[in-house]
Amino acid sequence: AQKITQTQPGMFVQEKEAVTLDCTYDTSDQSYGLFWYKQPSSGEMIFLIYQGSYDEQNATEGRYSLNFQKARKSANLVISASQLGDSAMYFCAMRDGLFPFRGAQKLVFGQGTRLTINP
Amino acid sequence: DGGITQSPKYLFRKEGQNVTLSCEQNLNHDAMYWYRQDPGQGLRLIYYSQIVNDFQKGDIAEGYSVSREKKESFPLTVTSAQKNPTAFYLCASSIQPPESNQPQHFGDGTRLSIL
Repeated sequence: AQKITQTQPGMFVQEKEAVTLDCTYDTSDQSYGLFWYKQPSSGEMIFLIYQGSYDEQNATEGRYSLNFQKARKSANLVISASQLGDSAMYFCAMRDGLFPFRGAQKLVFGQGTRLTINP
Repeated sequence: DGGITQSPKYLFRKEGQNVTLSCEQNLNHDAMYWYRQDPGQGLRLIYYSQIVNDFQKGDIAEGYSVSREKKESFPLTVTSAQKNPTAFYLCASSIQPPESNQPQHFGDGTRLSIL
């Protein structure tokens, strides 16, 4: 069975510093996708970044980048130049399969990391 | 603006009562999902639907029921058989068949509590 592990329940970072949120995963599938979501205190889930298992380069989206180490089964999120608005819960999630024939994209979520940015 | 609307934002259930959470989307997505989130935890899949009139159980379907009569709507009923329904419920949708890099889009959630 698939499993996502986020080992940092909480992180405290000074504003403008970079922060790395850890995510390790376990799957027997060769093809899979990894997502990171941000959940502010208001509750909505905001998609941040995606990494496919066959992507040769690490994904980047603005201040977000993904440190993908396939052999170690890790997909850590890096936030550069953190801002006060980055304070939130962050979830790593995995979907098995990359191709449409696998049907609906069932996601497995980690338990999340609560990030607090201090001024 | 396209998106997912969940209502109500807060809901209270009495003992022995069934309650229904609404989820409507205007993104023209075929697939829809219901998740449960307990405090300090990740999301767990309750039910999902790939097309109209079809749905499958997720990991924690016991005590819940769904219907999918319209593409836009995927209501979740929390039945009296669900003994611990207090949680935050999130509805999501996605393109079907799923493109590899397309995420699920989420609503703002419904917080359910027991009276």
